[in-house]
Amino acid sequence: NAGVMQNPRHLVRRRGQEARLRCSPMKGHSHVYWYRQLPEEGLKFMVYLQKENIIDESGMPKERFSAEFPKEGPSILRIQQVVRGDSAAYFCASSPYEGMSSNEQFFGPGTRLTVL
Amino acid sequence: RKEVEQDPGPFNVPEGATVAFNCTYSNSASQSFFWYRQDCRKEPKLLMSVYSSGNEDGRFTAQLNRASQYISLLIRDSKLSDSATYLCAVKNSGGYQKVTFGTGTKLQVIP
Repeated sequence: NAGVMQNPRHLVRRRGQEARLRCSPMKGHSHVYWYRQLPEEGLKFMVYLQKENIIDESGMPKERFSAEFPKEGPSILRIQQVVRGDSAAYFCASSPYEGMSSNEQFFGPGTRLTVL
Repeated sequence: RKEVEQDPGPFNVPEGATVAFNCTYSNSASQSFFWYRQDCRKEPKLLMSVYSSGNEDGRFTAQLNRASQYISLLIRDSKLSDSATYLCAVKNSGGYQKVTFGTGTKLQVIP
């Protein structure tokens, strides 16, 4: 059973470009979470999605950031017009269908975004 | 006040020592608690869930104190390989599985 997959693992963009980060959850998982981690800082929740629905986007910046989790295919975190402050590691996590008692989140390896 | 707070450390301990971390949470209705381990430039990995009765896994013991709203992680007989950042995570009550992470406590085990 493959784990959570993220690609690309490293992404370099120039200021003003768009960044697209992809996350494929573990097989059978329908809940996806995106986190951002700045150097030497903790994980900051960004958005929680289920298939075709955004459940909680309270951690997403109001502008330039968007996320989706379509019926088919991976979840996408999209950052438009990137700025240097967007440079960070972006982790995706997935969890099983709600109702599992442990509520454990399984993390992908992350995408490290560098904005030049 | 932050929802979940941890002492960032670093905790520098000699091999074989016992070390304990605490993590406080602000929401008294929080339901589930976890400790994750994160190695440098890697993703967090679940170390253990924290149950009301406390739980132990080898050299690691996790405890929950609901009255004082904190969880703890005790590591006995520290190994060099235990060097990492330890993140606590709290799942709040409510209709979905939002988990809030602390900023992590850095542990460095020295020979």
